[in-house]
Amino acid sequence: VTLRESGPASVKPTQTLTLTCTFSGFSLTTGGMSVSWIRQPPGKALEWLAHIDWDGDQYYTTSLKTRLTISRDTSKNQVVLTMANMDPVDTGTYYCARTKTDFYYHGMDVWGPGTTVTVSS
Amino acid sequence: QSALTQPASVSGSPGQSITISCTGTSRDIGGYEYVSWFQQHPDKGPKVIIYDVSNRPSGVSSRFSGSKSGNTASLTISGLQTEDEADYYCASFTSINTWVFGGGTKVAVL
Repeated sequence: VTLRESGPASVKPTQTLTLTCTFSGFSLTTGGMSVSWIRQPPGKALEWLAHIDWDGDQYYTTSLKTRLTISRDTSKNQVVLTMANMDPVDTGTYYCARTKTDFYYHGMDVWGPGTTVTVSS
Repeated sequence: QSALTQPASVSGSPGQSITISCTGTSRDIGGYEYVSWFQQHPDKGPKVIIYDVSNRPSGVSSRFSGSKSGNTASLTISGLQTEDEADYYCASFTSINTWVFGGGTKVAVL
């Protein structure tokens, strides 16, 4: 199982960020599977942002719900996260992670290496 | 959903045991047996060391153990080693089908 994030290294304030998570080794249509996005500002804590389930349901962190959109392309094994109206405080490393909720495991078990995004004019 | 509460730092000497707490609410930690712990070394990505409160993934040292009581989960590192110096994060499933992380704890081996 592998995941890898891709997207722009920098965006300007007010722009929309689009990140892609390309994964292999599992199917997002398998029951109990989902992909989460998590971010980490420099020197700060991890923050869970969103996930999309095996049945296409989307869930978002309450504080950023109005700015986030998560979608999937099961034929390409990709999950896309868009974040609108970017601000310098959104600077950080963005990770995607396989998230399982099945009989044996509940949580984020495999992570991508992360992609760093800087928001600056 | 508010972040889970962890102490900012915990320290210990080599060979000692330390415990990191992670406090939430009945809507997250207290409501589910779905607490994970992650270890993150500087400039590295997070690595899961405990899942479902007390289970260790294959390859994780038995020196790491997890537990939960009420709205508080705990991670214990026994036989502390210098390689255990890292940041540790807890995470829990929540009642609104989301996940929430703790603020992180920096472990120092003196």
